[in-house]
This record gives sequence, structure tokens and C-alpha cells, in this order.
Amino acid sequence: EVQLVESGGGLVQPGGSLRLSCAASGFTFSGHAMTWVRQAPGKGLEWVSTISGNADNTYYAESAKGRFTISRDNSKRTLYLQMNSLRAEDTALYYCAKDFRLGHDYWGQGTLVTVSS
Amino acid sequence: QSALTQPPSASGSPGQSVTISCTGTSSDIGTYNYVSWYQQHPGKVPKLMISEVTKRPSGVPDRFSGSKSGNTASLTVSGLQGEDEADYYCSSYAGGRVVFGGGTKLTVL
Repeated sequence: EVQLVESGGGLVQPGGSLRLSCAASGFTFSGHAMTWVRQAPGKGLEWVSTISGNADNTYYAESAKGRFTISRDNSKRTLYLQMNSLRAEDTALYYCAKDFRLGHDYWGQGTLVTVSS
Repeated sequence: QSALTQPPSASGSPGQSVTISCTGTSSDIGTYNYVSWYQQHPGKVPKLMISEVTKRPSGVPDRFSGSKSGNTASLTVSGLQGEDEADYYCSSYAGGRVVFGGGTKLTVL
């Protein structure tokens, strides 16, 4: 059974940093691109970032470029999102999701990030 | 403003069919056959309903179907059931990024 479990969310002040993690199981982790998608309270889905299976390629939404860094440790089957210079508009539920172009067939339950003073 | 345009709401009676549109551009839907549709019930995780324009993942009822013409993709739900009431989001690969629609709230009357 595929499982994706996010952690690392919380309350942070504007300008602060957080590192999100997503522990994966039930599939060949290194064989799949992994993606972060976020959803602000009461709003729609927004793609944030994707990393290829071997970590050679990374992709970012304009809103994340220069502030967020996606990475993965295939030996630990874990996906990360380092978020710096956080803003109020980054407040959202952050989901990790399996795959990229073909659609996201598995999603985690999400971890809530709140940016507020 | 979302990259893909969806109607904010749609509705139909039980047993009827409803189609939700998703309009993009020649940089996303118009170029790539990587359109996906997601169903999200309140407080729940999005669920993939359609991938690659027309493919239904295992376990998705065949009442759900997808299509594409030019820069517009569509999701059709036939034989509406109460459990279909949810938010629906389209997405498309757009060359090194993914774009989502703003979502459509489907109400079963």
C-alpha cells in the first residue's frame, strides 16, 4: 500500500524558515518524480515544486523560485521542501504527491504551514 | 488568477450528466496530452479521477470520462450520484511545470 506522510509544518513568523518532509512507502521511491502541491485555506490547488526520481532535475513555480528548495534522499525514501523567506501568502496545507506529468495518483494527508506574526 | 479556467460551479440532478470545462492555452492543454482531473470532498485529500486526458485509474467508476479539444479539456460525470458532490480540479503539464484550474464545485440537486 502506497503511503505518503508529511511532517514539519507549523506556525512561523514572516521571513522565517521551515523544512517539510514526506516519508514514502509502498512503491519504488527512486523510480518516481515527487511533487509538492499546496492549498491555501478555502482556496484551490497550486503546484509548488517537483523533483525527478534521481534528483537530477528540479522544477519550481514562480512563487517558489529563489525561496524554496526541493530535495530528496532516496536511501531514506524521503522528500523535502526547504522554505525560506516565508510570507503570509505561503500559508497553506502542503501536500506531497507522487509523480509529475502523468498526474498525481497518490497524495499525503498534508502538513499545515501558517505564516503569521 | 489560475492558469486554467474552470466554471466556479456546476450542478445536475441524480441520474443526469454534467460536463465541466477546463480552458487553457497552446502552452499547456493545447500542446500536451497530460491533463488530469481531481475530486476533492470537503476536508479530504484530492483524488485522481482522470489522467492523460482520458485514462481512469483503477477504482474510478466508468461514469467519469475525460476529453480534450484544442485548448479545452472536459470532465463528464454521467449518472450523477450524491457522492459525486465535490470540488473538481483540472490540471495540465505545461513544459517543466504543472498548472491547475481554480476548481468547480459540483452540486447534486
